[in-house]
Amino acid sequence: GDSVTQMEGPVTLSEEAFLTINCTYTATGYPSLFWYVQYPGEGLQLLLKATKADDKGSNKGFEATYRKETTSFHLEKGSVQVSDSAVYFCALKRGIQGAQKLVFGQGTRLTINP
Amino acid sequence: ETGVTQTPRHLVMGMTNKKSLKCEQHLGHNAMYWYKQSAKKPLELMFVYSLEERVENNSVPSRFSPECPNSSHLFLHLHTLQPEDSALYLCASSQGSADTQYFGPGTRLTVL
Repeated sequence: GDSVTQMEGPVTLSEEAFLTINCTYTATGYPSLFWYVQYPGEGLQLLLKATKADDKGSNKGFEATYRKETTSFHLEKGSVQVSDSAVYFCALKRGIQGAQKLVFGQGTRLTINP
Repeated sequence: ETGVTQTPRHLVMGMTNKKSLKCEQHLGHNAMYWYKQSAKKPLELMFVYSLEERVENNSVPSRFSPECPNSSHLFLHLHTLQPEDSALYLCASSQGSADTQYFGPGTRLTVL
């Protein structure tokens, strides 16, 4: 079945450091891929998405490219801020009977120190 | 209210209690979802509703009973829960299969 694997956390970086959070998936075909972010005490918010191979999703300085050759969707940001501290989830989507099914990775907790 | 709202935000209940979680979406969507988020486990999809019909039940124990009376509201009725059911319960909605899912803030449930 479908699955998503993220790098183990927690990840701790200094402000302005470069960020990479690895995500790989196992699935048949080419599902849509997502990064969601969860700030403390809140639900998940969509950060970015890509719907087909070689698409690059981007938002708030974050980027991720859909790589079908390596079945990966790694999240990157060139210069992180303290406000980026949160839990990040990689996910893939399947359509089901007029709705959809998201399969999530285990999440990566990111802490940015000033 | 905008987006997806959930009430209550926090709930403490004993194993013999009956309680309900409520979710309301103000986005005009036609699909709604319940997820369970436990510490150190991936988000688990529990139930999926499309046009008020349940289309997915991910082997969830019968002590969790969902209800979708209309496309804007989703409930999760709880009875005789176990301590291991303590978790954050998240509701989400989408416009069918094509759109992004939008999440509520969750209900933090503690079962004593």
